[in-house]
Amino acid sequence: EAGVVQSPRYKIIEKKQPVAFWCNPISGHNTLYWYRQNLGQGPELLIRYENEEAVDDSQLPKDRFSAERLKGVDSTLKIQPAELGDSAVYLCASSFWEGVETYEQYFGPGTRLTVT
Amino acid sequence: GEDVEQSLFLSVREGDSSVINCTYTDSSSTYLYWYKQEPGAGLQLLTYIFSNMDMKQDQRLTVLLNKKDKHLSLRIADTQTGDSAIYFCAEKDNAGNNRKLIWGLGTSLAVNP
Repeated sequence: EAGVVQSPRYKIIEKKQPVAFWCNPISGHNTLYWYRQNLGQGPELLIRYENEEAVDDSQLPKDRFSAERLKGVDSTLKIQPAELGDSAVYLCASSFWEGVETYEQYFGPGTRLTVT
Repeated sequence: GEDVEQSLFLSVREGDSSVINCTYTDSSSTYLYWYKQEPGAGLQLLTYIFSNMDMKQDQRLTVLLNKKDKHLSLRIADTQTGDSAIYFCAEKDNAGNNRKLIWGLGTSLAVNP
């Protein structure tokens, strides 16, 4: 079974430029998460989707960040414009919920963003 | 609010046992998790424990849960160099209909040959 796929793995951009990250979750997983992980920190949830609906985006900086999950499968996370403080690893995770769940989340390898 | 705390570093010799500790604040937590993150990789679920259990064992891994003290530990027996990684403790957020985890900062485990 293929795991969570993310691309690109690495991205270096200049500040004020836009950037986009893509995630393909595990087939059949209805819940998708985007996290940001700064060096030496745990993951910080940015947004959670249940199917195509964003059900928790309270931590997403909406002035510059946007996300979508069309058709409830793949998802993209965009930053426009990027700032120096956005340098981090952006992780995508997915899980399957069916009433009762163990909250097992499966993570992709992440995209390491460097803003210069 | 809820919080999860871990010690930041642990160094052990190869073949010894490693014990990584975690404390949490939400007494109503139902599930607690241990994730492993190797350099340059995403997080991998190692094991989880339901709150009505005191212990869970899975091969070299033993999870102990002390609900009274809100303390969770992960013991790795016969630690190998391949176990070098960052280990994250996480608890399920029980607020409302949240289906998300509250994460610790991670414990960096260094295994010396």
